[in-house]
Amino acid sequence: GDSVTQMEGPVTLSEEAFLTINCTYTATGYPSLFWYVQYPGEGLQLLLKATKADDKGSNKGFEATYRKETTSFHLEKGSVQVSDSAVYFCALSDHNNDMRFGAGTRLTVKP
Amino acid sequence: KAGVTQTPRYLIKTRGQQVTLSCSPISGHRSVSWYQQTPGQGLQFLFEYFSETQRNKGNFPGRFSGRQFSNSRSEMNVSTLELGDSALYLCASSGTGTGTYGYTFGSGTRLTVV
Repeated sequence: GDSVTQMEGPVTLSEEAFLTINCTYTATGYPSLFWYVQYPGEGLQLLLKATKADDKGSNKGFEATYRKETTSFHLEKGSVQVSDSAVYFCALSDHNNDMRFGAGTRLTVKP
Repeated sequence: KAGVTQTPRYLIKTRGQQVTLSCSPISGHRSVSWYQQTPGQGLQFLFEYFSETQRNKGNFPGRFSGRQFSNSRSEMNVSTLELGDSALYLCASSGTGTGTYGYTFGSGTRLTVV
């Protein structure tokens, strides 16, 4: 079945460092791809999305490009802040209301 | 507009008891999904309701059940609680009825079984 694999954490960076969190997927069709972020004690918040190949999702300085040829949707940010510390989840939806999540990557940004 | 509201935020129950969690989706959203989140298993899909009908179901035992009302509010029930049911239970709603554009999640109900 469809699945998502994302890089294991935790990831620790200094403020203003460049962030990449890798995400690859397996799907039989053409899913929509998402990044969600979870802050301590909270639910998941949709960070960005892409619904078709070559789409770039972006929000709050984060970006991810839907790469069908490499089945990837890597999350990037040019300069992280302490406030970006959270758990990040890559996810896909096959349009049949079945959303699959990766295991999550914990990011800690130190001042 | 108001987001997805889950109540209560925290619950402590004893093994063997049953529990009911509530979720009010964003106004106008007819799809409600439930997830269980644990450190060991991550996010696991429980079930999804659309217009009072269960459309999808994850791989959980029959002790886990749910329903959706005509106003789209949803409840999930866990009977005969086990220690392993301790988790954060998340509810998510969708306006399109599909996952194409993503879900909006509530803040969750933290269930602790002792």
